[in-house]
Amino acid sequence: AQKITQTQPGMFVQEKEAVTLDCTYDTSDPSYGLFWYKQPSSGEMIFLIYQGSYDQQNATEGRYSLNFQKARKSANLVISASQLGDSAMYFCAMREGKDSSYKLIFGSGTRLLVRP
Amino acid sequence: NAGVMQNPRHLVRRRGQEARLRCSPMKGHSHVYWYRQLPEEGLKFMVYLQKENIIDESGMPKERFSAEFPKEGPSILRIQQVVRGDSAAYFCASSLEGINQPQHFGDGTRLSIL
Repeated sequence: AQKITQTQPGMFVQEKEAVTLDCTYDTSDPSYGLFWYKQPSSGEMIFLIYQGSYDQQNATEGRYSLNFQKARKSANLVISASQLGDSAMYFCAMREGKDSSYKLIFGSGTRLLVRP
Repeated sequence: NAGVMQNPRHLVRRRGQEARLRCSPMKGHSHVYWYRQLPEEGLKFMVYLQKENIIDESGMPKERFSAEFPKEGPSILRIQQVVRGDSAAYFCASSLEGINQPQHFGDGTRLSIL
């Protein structure tokens, strides 16, 4: 079974609007962490935001926020006031607490294109 | 405050040659991870190392691939007798201890096999 599922291969958004990128996960471990990374066309991986399974509040970092719905096992990334520079691939990833290596398990990504 | 440094950025090898990819973690980070990314796919875990120890190599192919993180110097991912299927982007990441600590990635090495 897929541990991390990103069902949107590609998304468009108009500049200055908000966009939600979907991510669902599958784990039986009560302790886990969820991460979002951005990969621009230049190829580097940029850490955006983190949500812990025990966190009571949704994580926010500037224009990025995480809509964490634990019962639904979803951790959607919301980007507010989209900018042209937000055009990139976005990856959702999970770490499980039972896994002592804390390796990241990545989804297949969503390509976001911001239209001027 | 240097981030994760990977070199080379691009590497071209002929089939049968060896590829050596280097990674220097962020200052103060003792956990190093290697991932592989095929075109249009997410990153796949290969190996996790701490200084002088391989902790988890469950994602490494059984043959031709090896990794090390010596006491002094960078971590090395070594691919012997490369084949066309090894063409990919290889990313190194480092982190502090803890499930909530993000992994910080280098810019990757793009390996092309002729």
